[in-house]
Amino acid sequence: KNQVEQSPQSLIILEGKNCTLQCNYTVSPFSNLRWYKQDTGRGPVSLTIMTFSENTKSNGRYTATLDADTKQSSLHITASQLSDSASYICVVSARDTGRRALTFGSGTRLQVQP
Amino acid sequence: GAGVSQSPSNKVTEKGKDVELRCDPISGHTALYWYRQSLGQGLEFLIYFQGNSAPDKSGLPSDRFSAERTGGSVSTLTIQRTQQEDSAVYLCASSLDSGSSYNEQFFGPGTRLTVL
Repeated sequence: KNQVEQSPQSLIILEGKNCTLQCNYTVSPFSNLRWYKQDTGRGPVSLTIMTFSENTKSNGRYTATLDADTKQSSLHITASQLSDSASYICVVSARDTGRRALTFGSGTRLQVQP
Repeated sequence: GAGVSQSPSNKVTEKGKDVELRCDPISGHTALYWYRQSLGQGLEFLIYFQGNSAPDKSGLPSDRFSAERTGGSVSTLTIQRTQQEDSAVYLCASSLDSGSSYNEQFFGPGTRLTVL
């Protein structure tokens, strides 16, 4: 069964600090992995997509890593800002079509405090 | 419009009433998805459309839930005889098509449904 597990479930950090969110998956055959950011009361927005051959990808202060061998991904946030407070969802796609392609993690809720 | 829109943004209804939720996908997107997100929980897949067809309805929690899509565009999710456990945020997403796992799903802001 395809599964995506995220940790921690929630995290509180001070503004300006760095943090790393984790995503472990068992999805086969693997196609790609996305990190989404979901602000409170809004729909998720894609931050980055990673394919099998990519190890690291950055989007501003967000850096995602992927280890396809261990089936782990991380999202590192540098110099956190109050606006980073949100839920971060890891979504893994299998080489399939339709909805069966996607497996969603339950998310990490990040709170950045001043 | 520039993005996926949903209406209403909030809906409060009494137990036993029917509700209709609407989704307007991004123009040109042939795939449309409905998800449910309960408080503090992850996204739960409900149904997806490729064009006007729904190849996979397996996520619908009961026969009280139904969805349709007309003209390959607007979709409505209908919940009949609502129950308190139906209270959640209902999210709609669209993508270019469902044939490639690389196609990003763009999400709407959701409809928050509260069943009293």
